[in-house]
Amino acid sequence: GEEVAQTPKHLVRGEGQKAKLYCAPIKGHSYVFWYQQVLKNEFKFLISFQNENVFDETGMPKERFSAKCLPNSPCSLEIQATKLEDSAVYFCASSQFRTTEAFFGQGTRLTVV
Amino acid sequence: QQQVKQSPQSLIVQKGGISIINCAYENTAFDYFPWYQQFPGKGPALLIAIRPDVSEKKEGRFTISFNKSAKQFSLHIMDSQPGDSATYFCAASRTGGTSYGKLTFGQGTILTVHP
Repeated sequence: GEEVAQTPKHLVRGEGQKAKLYCAPIKGHSYVFWYQQVLKNEFKFLISFQNENVFDETGMPKERFSAKCLPNSPCSLEIQATKLEDSAVYFCASSQFRTTEAFFGQGTRLTVV
Repeated sequence: QQQVKQSPQSLIVQKGGISIINCAYENTAFDYFPWYQQFPGKGPALLIAIRPDVSEKKEGRFTISFNKSAKQFSLHIMDSQPGDSATYFCAASRTGGTSYGKLTFGQGTILTVHP
């Protein structure tokens, strides 16, 4: 597709429940990035992929967060045992090459209650 | 080392005026500096970007000024319009190394342009 597609747009989970977010990058883009935007507008980098390979996972809280980008499937970000502090908008971005512009999706708003 | 500091936090400008947003970075390894515009409920959209080999880049009403020695860059919006009202983010990244492409964002500036 011509845009980064994120689903769902909104997700509500009770504390301790699992949350799974999906991202379909722009067709032909090899790089995928996940960011978390919290209420104060602050963006936090989580993880990046080059095709199906993890490129940089320095921002991932590894004990509860995991992510995958498998061939012919949307990328996913999964949060096990959600906490209130996980409430945020999660953005996915994709780029064609390592030095080109990153295009962002519309985000998934996760609310943990 | 990885921070990008952005100011002001909010800005109110009259229609037709000039909006100026400033950013400062610490990591001298950064070599790509984009500005993003974000409307409520939407993802960030790239406005304009600059690399450190030039001191200024202009696209339409948007201009980036870049000062490598001071490690600062700024966005100027000329002839500001009410439709420019949005949150603006500066960012920085490296185009090499294992952390390439990872954007470090500023804190954002909420711009309001009054008619």
